[in-house]
Formats: sequence, structure tokens, C-alpha cells
Amino acid sequence: DAKTTQPPSMDCAEGRAANLPCNHSTISGNEYVYWYRQIHSQGPQYIIHGLKNNETNEMASLIITEDRKSSTLILPHATLRDTAVYYCIVRVEYGNKLVFGAGTILRVKS
Amino acid sequence: DVKVTQSSRYLVKRTGEKVFLECVQDMDHENMFWYRQDPGLGLRLIYFSYDVKMKEKGDIPEGYSVSREKKERFSLILESASTNQTSMYLCASSLSQESGNTIYFGEGSWLTVV
Repeated sequence: DAKTTQPPSMDCAEGRAANLPCNHSTISGNEYVYWYRQIHSQGPQYIIHGLKNNETNEMASLIITEDRKSSTLILPHATLRDTAVYYCIVRVEYGNKLVFGAGTILRVKS
Repeated sequence: DVKVTQSSRYLVKRTGEKVFLECVQDMDHENMFWYRQDPGLGLRLIYFSYDVKMKEKGDIPEGYSVSREKKERFSLILESASTNQTSMYLCASSLSQESGNTIYFGEGSWLTVV
């Protein structure tokens, strides 16, 4: 499975955009990039996923570089409730296994 | 809205007890999964099922069994609970195995075996 690398922690001011980077230099052509987040004591919450193109939904935007070796999750207006561990995952085609790394602890501060 | 429901959020069981963890999804998904999550070890796949009455072992199936009698329901069974099975258990589901289909998780079940 392709490995991902994320910074261990980040801080963001409330109301500002949070930009969470992820490196996945060994990603293969048919592997999707997924982002989940997990708030303490809860199950992982799906945020967004993409293959090649940038994606946007009501929660976030996903920017994938042209070579697909890295991506950035953008929370456009972070709130205190966005404080969580954010996981970047590369999912193999026809793969049922999601390999969660250590993730990035995002702290949104007022 | 997507919904994966785990029947119990918090359980305390004694060593040797038989434990059932139930999971229901309302999205008509083909695939269902059981993971456990432990500090420092991340999520580990226990079992998954790609159809009714079908199951496949994941990375750590020892000490567990599963049952899928109906499409919407996937049960995890600890035949004889042990203290090393104290963990957070997560049920998940997805439409199919294709990687473009999102895997959705339940809220988790915290099991303590004493």
C-alpha cells in the first residue's frame, strides 16, 4: 500500500483556512486519496476523496498536485469543532483495507 | 444521510464471556467491515464481508468470528473474551470494493474486558 506522510500537528486560528498537507510519493495511477478525521472517542468521519482532479464538497476542498505525489486538504473557515486528528489515506484499487497512519492533530484556537 | 449504527457504545464484559457487537447500515451496501483501533497501532481489519453469508479474514481474525445473515447487518463475535481484546471496535460499510466507493464508519464500540 502506498505510504502517506503528514505533519504530526498543526494549529489554526478560528475562522481562518486550515491547510493540511500530505505526501504520497509512491501512489499508483488507480489509487484514490481519501481524507478522514477523528474526534476523540468517535469513529472516523469521511471528509473527501479524489483521484486526479481537485474536489470540493460542503466540508472541504482537496487539491491534488499534477504528479499526484502530494495533496492538501483545505478547511476554508475552521471552527473549534474542527479540532481533530486528520488522516490522509491512499486506497488501493479493489482494496478493503484502509491503512490509517498517525495523522495530523489539528488544533483550532480562538 | 449515510448511517452505520453500532448497537452499543460502551460495554464491560468479564473474561471468558461471549460478546456480540452488532452493526447495521441503511445504505444497501455490499461490503461491511469490522476494525479495531488501539493507541499506537492504528486501525486493524478483523473481518470483512462482501455479500450475505460471505466473509473474509482481515489482518487479525484470531479470537473473533462474524455473521452476516442479512445484507444490512454484520455482527462481530468474541467467543471467549480476553483482556487483550479490550479496544475500540469500529464497524464500516461501502457500496462495493472499488476504491472510488467511500468506506463509512460507525461511532465505535468501546469494549472493556475485565
